[in-house]
Amino acid sequence: GAGVSQSPSNKVTEKGKDVELRCDPISGHTALYWYRQSLGQGLEFLIYFQGNSAPDKSGLPSDRFSAERTGGSVSTLTIQRTQQEDSAVYLCASSLRGGTSTDTQYFGPGTRLTVL
Amino acid sequence: AQSVTQLGSHVSVSEGALVLLRCNYSSSVPPYLFWYVQYPNQGLQLLLKYTSAATLVKGINGFEAEFKKSETSFHLTKPSAHMSDAAEYFCAVSPGDSSYKLIFGSGTRLLVRP
Repeated sequence: GAGVSQSPSNKVTEKGKDVELRCDPISGHTALYWYRQSLGQGLEFLIYFQGNSAPDKSGLPSDRFSAERTGGSVSTLTIQRTQQEDSAVYLCASSLRGGTSTDTQYFGPGTRLTVL
Repeated sequence: AQSVTQLGSHVSVSEGALVLLRCNYSSSVPPYLFWYVQYPNQGLQLLLKYTSAATLVKGINGFEAEFKKSETSFHLTKPSAHMSDAAEYFCAVSPGDSSYKLIFGSGTRLLVRP
């Protein structure tokens, strides 16, 4: 079946602009995760959604970052007033139930964000 | 707090040779451990995971890893490297069954020479 999809695959933006990154999880997966992969920081957890529960936003690096998940499916990660240090690959993952790390996370191909 | 250290940002082996990618972890609670592989321009794919059952874990593509509590290690091995194994490999730790968060190591890029 279809895996996790993300769009766009590449995004180039100017410093100060807002960007939206989209994630379509695997159908039926209730848990969704966002990670950031950057040269300096490696792979970092950003945010976690599980069903109708309040999201775990503990990994968001600043208040310029926000995410929502509409209808328990598609998620959008928004970065406002982008900075050069936001340049990274943003990875989305989904899992069937969430709540435990034994629930395998399936990753999308990522969105490569470049802030000029 | 949990952390993961992967020794060697790059490992180069000849085709047919043993692959050994090192991972050491730090965890204040019994950990769950994972190895993921990332091929160019693709997302991460789970290779194998340790969740407190057998200490020798077999994964996909002929890879396996052994959990050694005394050494706080979870090294990834494959007896014979194939050209298609060239990719970046990430070790990750989670603090047991209570957390969904994965804490990743910095990754090791495996190069396979013909």
